[in-house]
Amino acid sequence: DQQVKQNSPSLSVQEGRISILNCDYTNSMFDYFLWYKKYPAEGPTFLISISSIKDKNEDGRFTVFLNKSAKHLSLHIVPSQPGDSAVYFCAARAISSGSARQLTFGSGTQLTVLP
Amino acid sequence: NAGVTQTPKFRILKIGQSMTLQCTQDMNHNYMYWYRQDPGMGLKLIYYSVGAGITDKGEVPNGYNVSRSTTEDFPLRLELAAPSQTSVYFCASSSGTSGTILLRGQYFGPGTRLTVT
Repeated sequence: DQQVKQNSPSLSVQEGRISILNCDYTNSMFDYFLWYKKYPAEGPTFLISISSIKDKNEDGRFTVFLNKSAKHLSLHIVPSQPGDSAVYFCAARAISSGSARQLTFGSGTQLTVLP
Repeated sequence: NAGVTQTPKFRILKIGQSMTLQCTQDMNHNYMYWYRQDPGMGLKLIYYSVGAGITDKGEVPNGYNVSRSTTEDFPLRLELAAPSQTSVYFCASSSGTSGTILLRGQYFGPGTRLTVT
């Protein structure tokens, strides 16, 4: 039972355009969402997070939008750069877990930014 | 800072063999975690530790053991390797309160690719 779903395994975008990565979830107890980026042969690195009390969080070129009614979040990258080519994981924390130790991860989306 | 380091990078085990995956962090983080990632799947939590001497099970602990005798080290032990344990294993660490973790995420090592045949 996948509680966090990233339905697009891959996405290709032209350099300079917007990249939109999507994530859907089923557990209404999730109260915090995180995005990680992963390059080949490296571990994931934290990118940005959002609390369920917000609908938007921005950090430079990266913006995460949360639609609680639709149980959907998206990561926007504007403008996209070739160095953004990586696998992006969505993760969520359930408030019942008490801390961040129990993160539930999606399966990831491979973003390729074409020069 | 080296961050989170893992050894080995790659390993092939025969069914029934045992091994220990090493993980060390030099950031003085109190929280440490072990995840596994199977092909096409997200990361699943195996075990975690909130400090030296304290460990607890995650989502998929069967077939694994951990110990945390120091703040820096969090080894993962596979006692009787099975093909189902073929995966990429990531160690991670984080500091402070849950608020800090959620705002800054966890720091991951580069992973160990394990094949059991």
